[in-house]
Amino acid sequence: AQKVTQAQTEISVVEKEDVTLDCVYETRDTTYYLFWYKQPPSGELVFLIRRNSFDEQNEISGRYSWNFQKSTSSFNFTITASQVVDSAVYFCALSEELGSARQLTFGSGTQLTVLP
Amino acid sequence: GAGVSQSPRYKVAKRGQDVALRCDPISGHVSLFWYQQALGQGPEFLTYFQNEAQLDKSGLPSDRFFAERPEGSVSTLKIQRTQQEDSAVYLCASSSGGLAGGGQNEQFFGPGTRLTVL
Repeated sequence: AQKVTQAQTEISVVEKEDVTLDCVYETRDTTYYLFWYKQPPSGELVFLIRRNSFDEQNEISGRYSWNFQKSTSSFNFTITASQVVDSAVYFCALSEELGSARQLTFGSGTQLTVLP
Repeated sequence: GAGVSQSPRYKVAKRGQDVALRCDPISGHVSLFWYQQALGQGPEFLTYFQNEAQLDKSGLPSDRFFAERPEGSVSTLKIQRTQQEDSAVYLCASSSGGLAGGGQNEQFFGPGTRLTVL
């Protein structure tokens, strides 16, 4: 069965610091998809990125970057030069190709607080 | 708007009452998911529709939970005889593709319905 672990429950940084959110996953499927979502205080989940299991290239989008390593089953997320608006709960999620619904399995989330 | 909408945004129910939660997915989206998010946790899958067909309901916690999508667009999640442990945020998500053809489309989430059972 698939599982996503986000060991960091809460992280607090000062504005402009870099911060990395960890994500470790478990799956028996050879084809799967990994996601990061942001959940601000308003509650709506905002999609950030999707990677498939065959694409291990790291990705950078502005201040955001993602490090996907199949060897360690990790998909970590780094925010460079953090800003107060980055404060939110961040969820890592996994979807298996063979799943009957390809539903997302989420980690328990990391609460990021960026202090001014 | 063009996003997923849910109503009501907040619902308070007395234990034992029935509730109905509505989801309006993005127009034309084939797939619709319901998730339950307890306080301080990640969302957990409840059920999945491809058009009007409910293809997976493995996540529904009990037979008090029932979902439908009769015309392949709007969906309703109904909870009968609510209990305190049903208190959570119920999230609806839709995506453009179905299961055929492989791949995984992005799921777009609604704002959720916060259900509080007293």
